[in-house]
Amino acid sequence: GQNIDQPTEMTATEGAIVQINCTYQTSGFNGLFWYQQHAGEAPTFLSYNVLDGLEEKGRFSSFLSRSKGYSYLLLKELQMKDSASYLCAVRDGDYKLSFGAGTTVTVRA
Amino acid sequence: IAGITQAPTSQILAAGRRMTLRCTQDMRHNAMYWYRQDLGLGLRLIHYSNTAGTTGKGEVPDGYSVSRANTDDFPLTLASAVPSQTSVYFCASSDDASGGANEQFFGPGTRLTVL
Repeated sequence: GQNIDQPTEMTATEGAIVQINCTYQTSGFNGLFWYQQHAGEAPTFLSYNVLDGLEEKGRFSSFLSRSKGYSYLLLKELQMKDSASYLCAVRDGDYKLSFGAGTTVTVRA
Repeated sequence: IAGITQAPTSQILAAGRRMTLRCTQDMRHNAMYWYRQDLGLGLRLIHYSNTAGTTGKGEVPDGYSVSRANTDDFPLTLASAVPSQTSVYFCASSDDASGGANEQFFGPGTRLTVL
């Protein structure tokens, strides 16, 4: 089976930076995704990494190290609207997504 | 319709009853998926379909069935609901089931309670 670990909760102050780590062990690897999910809503796509390195998209960046089975999502200049759950998902050798349990980020004023 | 829709939004169901959750997308995506989301467990894949006419089992398929008669629709059926099937169900679709970014787009979810 798949094993994807990420912290359960994180709290940060508005304007600050938060880094959400994700470690994984999967059967094959065909990319890693990060999704954002506000309470009571559907997950929405944030980022995709398939090669090692950093992908930057505005205030959000995602990093991947395939050899370490490790990724992080970096949220900069935090805003209140960034309070949400962030889901790490790995696409395995069969091209199916396996999700971590999600990290709930709370942004305080 | 724009994107992916699910019906009903929520449902309370007596144990033993049959229930079909509906999912429709208008993006002409080839691949569709059903997940359940439970607190502390994240999203788990129930069934998937890589293209119309084909389906496959995911991580937690027992007690569920699907069909994919056309590109747009992917209903999920609980033949005889049990309380452990109480969950939030999300339908998703992607352009195809292979590599590349091909992110999955999610519907708004169906909150199902089985009593």
